[in-house]
Amino acid sequence: DTAVSQTPKYLVTQMGNDKSIKCEQNLGHDTMYWYKQDSKKFLKIMFSYNNKELIINETVPNRFSPKSPDKAHLNLHINSLELGDSAVYFCASSPYPDRGTEAFFGQGTRLTVV
Amino acid sequence: AQTVTQSQPEMSVQEAETVTLSCTYDTSESDYYLFWYKQPPSRQMILVIRQEAYKQQNATENRFSVNFQKAAKSFSLKISDSQLGDAAMYFCAYRSARGAQKLVFGQGTRLTINP
Repeated sequence: DTAVSQTPKYLVTQMGNDKSIKCEQNLGHDTMYWYKQDSKKFLKIMFSYNNKELIINETVPNRFSPKSPDKAHLNLHINSLELGDSAVYFCASSPYPDRGTEAFFGQGTRLTVV
Repeated sequence: AQTVTQSQPEMSVQEAETVTLSCTYDTSESDYYLFWYKQPPSRQMILVIRQEAYKQQNATENRFSVNFQKAAKSFSLKISDSQLGDAAMYFCAYRSARGAQKLVFGQGTRLTINP
């Protein structure tokens, strides 16, 4: 009965590879997000989708491409992985962000690029 | 652009004591929301408490309370009767009521509880 689930939890891959992280939420929320937490624990928004439409695209390299097949899923595909992409990636969802409702986070995916 | 600053990278407190974590933010907006999230070693982000900027009353959740000073743009978190399970990274976050309603996070404060 996990609310926001991400797979995989850990991902170790070589530079230059392409990888995907999947996210699913069973809360019925319209808005989903990807956040990146760097090695200093700093969390920053990458993307936001509302009902399958992209509404936030921060200054993220275009090697990162989110895809939302339906409003319960938001996947993150990363091409040509670089050492600097190593981080923890969090998926989150919110019911009514304009009313200040909280964001519910997945457990994070620790990506290590070697 | 909004920014959130947590000036205490690390704090420690004795079990059962009270500790206050500081947070300041910068915004030109009048309508927004503020949050404190906890991240234990498990990595899971857990909401601790939430405050609407239009409410003067400080939010309280059991042992957790905030001191919200809108004019000073300050939003500190007080943890009373600290417990070992409170040990975690604590993040202050801001969300606008308009536009792109993303969460803007502070740098985090690592809280250690000494038995």
